[in-house]
Amino acid sequence: ELKVEQNPLFLSMQEGKNYTIYCNYSTTSDRLYWYRQDPGKSLESLFVLLSNGAVKQEGRLMASLDTKARLSTLHITAAVHDLSATYFCAVVPSGGSNYKLTFGKGTLLTVNP
Amino acid sequence: NAGVTQTPKFRILKIGQSMTLQCTQDMNHNYMYWYRQDPGMGLKLIYYSVGAGITDKGEVPNGYNVSRSTTEDFPLRLELAAPSQTSVYFCASNLAGTAEQYFGPGTRLTVT
Repeated sequence: ELKVEQNPLFLSMQEGKNYTIYCNYSTTSDRLYWYRQDPGKSLESLFVLLSNGAVKQEGRLMASLDTKARLSTLHITAAVHDLSATYFCAVVPSGGSNYKLTFGKGTLLTVNP
Repeated sequence: NAGVTQTPKFRILKIGQSMTLQCTQDMNHNYMYWYRQDPGMGLKLIYYSVGAGITDKGEVPNGYNVSRSTTEDFPLRLELAAPSQTSVYFCASNLAGTAEQYFGPGTRLTVT
């Protein structure tokens, strides 16, 4: 059974600081997704990582994938309050069809002034 | 292009009642999914469909049923509602062969 673990689950940081959220998964995978969820809202797609070594950046967020280590990271640079949200990673096992995403529990990020 | 829409937004059910959560997408996506999200947890897959007339169980299907008679619609039926079904329900869709799932706004269901 595929397990997806995120850490930390809670992250409180100051504006202007850098931090990294980690997503580990237990079986081989060739697709990993990062989503953002604001309180009471739906999920918004941030990144899709499809191969080992993939790196994608959007604004102050950068995601990377190491399939050999079964690890993805979401790096936050110079955090601002608008980044406060819950961030989820989700994984599809190798050989799986384009469904059955397994989600981590999410990281609740709070950026304080 | 409305994307994925869900109705209702909120609903309170009494134990033992039944209801249908509606989901519609206008992107001509083949794949559709139902997830539930419990407080402090990630999403868990209830049912999914790879096309009209084809559905299959996800991780937590007990107490739910689905049908897919058209490409656009994927309703989720709750029979004999129980307090354990109190949750937020999300519908999602994507095209076969593409990676990204698009999510609806969610339905917040309380069973008392």
